[in-house]
Amino acid sequence: DTAVSQTPKYLVTQMGNDKSIKCEQNLGHDTMYWYKQDSKKFLKIMFSYNNKELIINETVPNRFSPKSPDKAHLNLHINSLELGDSAVYFCASSQLGQGLEQYFGPGTRLTVT
Amino acid sequence: DQQVKQNSPSLSVQEGRISILNCDYTNSMFDYFLWYKKYPAEGPTFLISISSIKDKNEDGRFTVFLNKSAKHLSLHIVPSQPGDSAVYFCAARGGNKLVFGAGTILRVKS
Repeated sequence: DTAVSQTPKYLVTQMGNDKSIKCEQNLGHDTMYWYKQDSKKFLKIMFSYNNKELIINETVPNRFSPKSPDKAHLNLHINSLELGDSAVYFCASSQLGQGLEQYFGPGTRLTVT
Repeated sequence: DQQVKQNSPSLSVQEGRISILNCDYTNSMFDYFLWYKKYPAEGPTFLISISSIKDKNEDGRFTVFLNKSAKHLSLHIVPSQPGDSAVYFCAARGGNKLVFGAGTILRVKS
């Protein structure tokens, strides 16, 4: 059983399109995250939700909108995609009280052409 | 503004020897430091952590050392095994978020 799953694994799309990436965790965690790994390989936090409430919102263009329908799901919707959005996006989850041991999904490689 | 830096992009070690991965940080307010390991096409997995009030934490073959005065931490793997070949990310917790370094690729040769 996959603990944190993301779909799709690969996403190739054209500039200007709108796309979504879905994330689900079956660990019973109350906190979920979205990270972006850019071309320089840094993993940077984008958003964090705790029990469906936004608790971290880094400096991210408002074209990126996270949505958490319940505490097991955190989806990422991106409007008007740009070339610079090409990256690997990782979803993760943890228990908030810990926040150290985060469980990551396998990543979604987004390529914008 | 890179608060967590891993200055060695890659490291190659012979099986059975010690692997030492290094990490430097700039923010003295970080309260925990962590190492994550990542295999290709997978997400990072938690390896080991250390509180800022400790200077050493050991878990089997993995030991993390923290030198607060130098704002430096290191991960020692002894003995290194081919299965340890992966990307190792150093991370630090500040507030309620983790700040990651760019990773070091470790290759363990058999």
